[in-house]
Amino acid sequence: EAQVTQNPRYLITVTGKKLTVTCSQNMNHEYMSWYRQDPGLGLRQIYYSMNVEVTDKGDVPEGYKVSRKEKRNFPLILESPSPNQTSLYFCASSPMDSVPGEQYFGPGTRLTVT
Amino acid sequence: GNSVTQMEGPVTLSEEAFLTINCTYTATGYPSLFWYVQYPGEGLQLLLKATKADDKGSNKGFEATYRKETTSFHLEKGSVQVSDSAVYFCALTIYGNNRLAFGKGNQVVVIP
Repeated sequence: EAQVTQNPRYLITVTGKKLTVTCSQNMNHEYMSWYRQDPGLGLRQIYYSMNVEVTDKGDVPEGYKVSRKEKRNFPLILESPSPNQTSLYFCASSPMDSVPGEQYFGPGTRLTVT
Repeated sequence: GNSVTQMEGPVTLSEEAFLTINCTYTATGYPSLFWYVQYPGEGLQLLLKATKADDKGSNKGFEATYRKETTSFHLEKGSVQVSDSAVYFCALTIYGNNRLAFGKGNQVVVIP
């Protein structure tokens, strides 16, 4: 089944404790992206990647890191999480030869930082 | 810059009622327009799209027409069901750029 998977789905952590949220897709998509969803703000893009070893900042990159060493994986790293990073996070992917904007979303990771 | 504006507030309506969610946009270049839907506890799914002016996107009884003259892409459905309860997001991207700009979303609640 074609899908985008994220792990973990739920995570409660404390301020300053490094964490990684994994994202994997099995559709051989070149483009991958991370978003955060907050009430009243909709979805905002954190980072995106056009292909392996090619990443760039989105609209709200502060406090986050990403890497793209393999085509299928795009982990999101919070090196020192803070309470303002409590949010619902989505990973998405799409092929570069599709209509730009047709993205496939993962199920989401709900992160709480205390 | 590129941005999308959706009408404020949740939408509550009865089953079989007519649904309209307004979406207007600001963009440089020639945007493609999208509606995504998020069912409770799930990720977003593409509902419909339109890639050029006057195109009408449609899916699952929902429709939206790309109106360049009014920079709008309003979502409509003639007779909603309880299963249509979800959050609906309008979005745009510019040709050749895979980045999506989302509106804030509208919660739709359909009451039996």
